[in-house]
Amino acid sequence: DAGITQSPRYKITETGRQVTLMCHQTWSHSYMFWYRQDLGHGLRLIYYSAAADITDKGEVPDGYVVSRSKTENFPLTLESATRSQTSVYFCASSEVMNTEAFFGQGTRLTVV
Amino acid sequence: DQQVKQNSPSLSVQEGRISILNCDYTNSMFDYFLWYKKYPAEGPTFLISISSIKDKNEDGRFTVFLNKSAKHLSLHIVPSQPGDSAVYFCAASPTNFGNEKLTFGTGTRLTIIP
Repeated sequence: DAGITQSPRYKITETGRQVTLMCHQTWSHSYMFWYRQDLGHGLRLIYYSAAADITDKGEVPDGYVVSRSKTENFPLTLESATRSQTSVYFCASSEVMNTEAFFGQGTRLTVV
Repeated sequence: DQQVKQNSPSLSVQEGRISILNCDYTNSMFDYFLWYKKYPAEGPTFLISISSIKDKNEDGRFTVFLNKSAKHLSLHIVPSQPGDSAVYFCAASPTNFGNEKLTFGTGTRLTIIP
């Protein structure tokens, strides 16, 4: 199926653990993004990628690592999870940086 | 520092009436604006956009108005339908090309009352 998929949909992890959220898109869009959604903050950009092997920081990058070895995949890794990283994470893709972006269904991450 | 503000966290509107969602911004460099709609347990979906060369853009029941001097945009939904109940985010960017990032507002939860 064409689209953008995130996995897992739900994840509970312990403080200090490493966790990776996966994102896969089938459109071959150049740009991919990771956002987090928190009450009172809306959607905040964590990292984005303009193409394979090109990534850049967004508004809230601390504590996160990304990679993009293939155009279609853009995993987000929390190297040592903290409670403040409890959030809903959305991956998105678009052909041009700021035009219509297509979002995945989100991953609800709880750090205990 | 919230550069894009949606000051109404929630809004309730009777079915069939007009829904008006507001968004204010502080960065005078913002030149391109988008609205996204989000249902629970789903990702946001693009709704409509407008660039500063226009003051209005219309798509079916949805119209976005831009007042650059007031740094204000609004989304009008006419007539409102139960399926419009969702959270609406406005977003802004200095341009719609290049590597300028989008800045999102905090969202407004719209509830349409049957």
